[in-house]
Amino acid sequence: NAGVTQTPKFRILKIGQSMTLQCTQDMNHNYMYWYRQDPGMGLKLIYYSVGAGITDKGEVPNGYNVSRSTTEDFPLRLELAAPSQTSVYFCATRQGEGGYTFGSGTRLTVV
Amino acid sequence: QQQVKQSPQSLIVQKGGISIINCAYENTAFDYFPWYQQFPGKGPALLIAIRPDVSEKKEGRFTISFNKSAKQFSLHIMDSQPGDSATYFCAASAGNQFYFGTGTSLTVIP
Repeated sequence: NAGVTQTPKFRILKIGQSMTLQCTQDMNHNYMYWYRQDPGMGLKLIYYSVGAGITDKGEVPNGYNVSRSTTEDFPLRLELAAPSQTSVYFCATRQGEGGYTFGSGTRLTVV
Repeated sequence: QQQVKQSPQSLIVQKGGISIINCAYENTAFDYFPWYQQFPGKGPALLIAIRPDVSEKKEGRFTISFNKSAKQFSLHIMDSQPGDSATYFCAASAGNQFYFGTGTSLTVIP
């Protein structure tokens, strides 16, 4: 009963590098989300998807890209990493009108 | 612009006391108000949620009070325990997106 799995758990990137944060779920939920969490700022929505092949921007999409080719996977791509992208990233799923199920997060540091 | 305003930022409560965290919102289209609990190094976990057609919901020691006219809702933790020490987030949603408060760090002193 894995739920929402995020990899990697930790990563250090150099400025200008790129990487993909992986998120996979085994609950067959249609809705998937990427949030970033910064101290004292709560969670900010980066991108979300209401189903395979459909994605949309959230509050803070700049510097990120997503794709949703399957129901299970919703990877987040960082191109040209910047120090401002240092954060903890959470993937979440939702089914129907209920609450989210979050993954355990990826802590990213850009130096 | 913060869609959901949460206070206080931090809270220290004695074991057995009542912890109260407050949230306020402006968007009257919000129709679902969950609270999440987050322990260090973990993702937030759904604690309790309410819809605006009721004024209170209780689950064990956790109660949400909802005031639709004031556009405010609060989390009450009765008989607070050291194991309740965590960060708590309120949220509100309308449609596909959730908007989170900035979080309250709760410490329960033994």
